[in-house]
Amino acid sequence: SQQGEEDPQALSIQEGENATMNCSYKTSINNLQWYRQNSGRGLVHLILIRSNEREKHSGRLRVTLDTSKKSSSLLITASRAADTASYFCATDGGEYGNKLVFGAGTILRVKS
Amino acid sequence: ETGVTQSPTHLIKTRGQQVTLRCSSQSGHNTVSWYQQALGQGPQFIFQYYREEENGRGNFPPRFSGLQFPNYSSELNVNALELDDSALYLCASSSPGQGIGYGYTFGSGTRLTVV
Repeated sequence: SQQGEEDPQALSIQEGENATMNCSYKTSINNLQWYRQNSGRGLVHLILIRSNEREKHSGRLRVTLDTSKKSSSLLITASRAADTASYFCATDGGEYGNKLVFGAGTILRVKS
Repeated sequence: ETGVTQSPTHLIKTRGQQVTLRCSSQSGHNTVSWYQQALGQGPQFIFQYYREEENGRGNFPPRFSGLQFPNYSSELNVNALELDDSALYLCASSSPGQGIGYGYTFGSGTRLTVV
């Protein structure tokens, strides 16, 4: 079963703009992670935020976590065409213990 | 340090047949997890192996089974294939001190088509 949902399902922006994706989940968690997937291939780990953290940065990525609302957001600043991909949030500590449970993903298209 | 390698890349099988997918974990990782990703959806957890023992299973029927070998590589076996088994199958490796609270390393996946 999917842990939660990403919003929006699809996002199209111009190069240089910022992209924000949101993720909601259902159960308590230990950690929340964001992954990128290009063209239906393997997933690449982007960033992890622990349940006791509220914000985390990595390069052009900024992740926030609100455990009271069971939601997270991923901000990609100054987007590039190479950022075009599907983005998934994944949580652990829920019904499958330390195993990852993924959302349905957001498809991001960055136009050059 | 090598990454996670999956084989084959693509596979076409007939309904009712059996299939075996293979995964070589990243060096130093002793935990392997398998996921099924249907088109347009997020990956769904199938099961995890740790030191050759199953360590958790998702909501998949018994015809989905697996193995982990002493070198930590792994196989996913699916019997009596159904059309709905058509999907991208992803393998991810991790290590105990790393898997919990750290990102997993995913392979590029095996695209299975059942006709």
